[in-house]
Amino acid sequence: EIVLTQSPTTIAASPGEKVTITCRASSSIGYMYWYQQKSGASPKLWIYDTSKLASGVPNRFSGSGSGTSYSLTINTMETEDAATYYCQQWSSTPWTFGGGTTLEL
Amino acid sequence: EVQLVESGGGLVQPGRSMKLSCAASGFTFSNYYMAWVRQAPTKGLEWVGIISTGGGNTYDRDSVKGRFTISRDNAKSTLYLQMDSLRSEDTATYYCARVNSGYGMDAWGQGASVTVSS
Repeated sequence: EIVLTQSPTTIAASPGEKVTITCRASSSIGYMYWYQQKSGASPKLWIYDTSKLASGVPNRFSGSGSGTSYSLTINTMETEDAATYYCQQWSSTPWTFGGGTTLEL
Repeated sequence: EVQLVESGGGLVQPGRSMKLSCAASGFTFSNYYMAWVRQAPTKGLEWVGIISTGGGNTYDRDSVKGRFTISRDNAKSTLYLQMDSLRSEDTATYYCARVNSGYGMDAWGQGASVTVSS
């Protein structure tokens, strides 16, 4: 099983700040997927194929990485970005999620 | 508008069964793989299983193999999760999700809460 380790577990940021969340895989994977989940709501697809933004995602978000190291970056934090972000891999079964990174204001 | 609506959750005793449904609308259900993902209280997301477009192939995580069965009725645009021999560790919110090849899980239901307790 590929284990995805996210860091940090929690991060606090102010509006306008740059934020980077990292996801490390225990084995090399092809692509990374990211989901955003706000408190009490269902997850939403946020980034697919490592760097492509899902429909409606603001372009202040970006994704990058390869092999075992991936990241999600918010260029300038906005209040609406406060949420928990999960990375996820489809490269091998069981398809796994990272433990999540909670982004707080 | 793509919609996924789960139903069938609630409180169930350990060892008993429960069946969740996920009614899909706004897209051609039979064209998509579908998945179940769960989230235990205050915990992260955990993939449960996936089913192919025709329903002939399913893949489940080890911890639910032999206890959970994923199925679908394409004529009714509905996904199911039959859960038998439930354990306390199965307590979670269960989400159904559309698997869009090349895009990931791009649509999610609102979730169905399952509590396994005596």
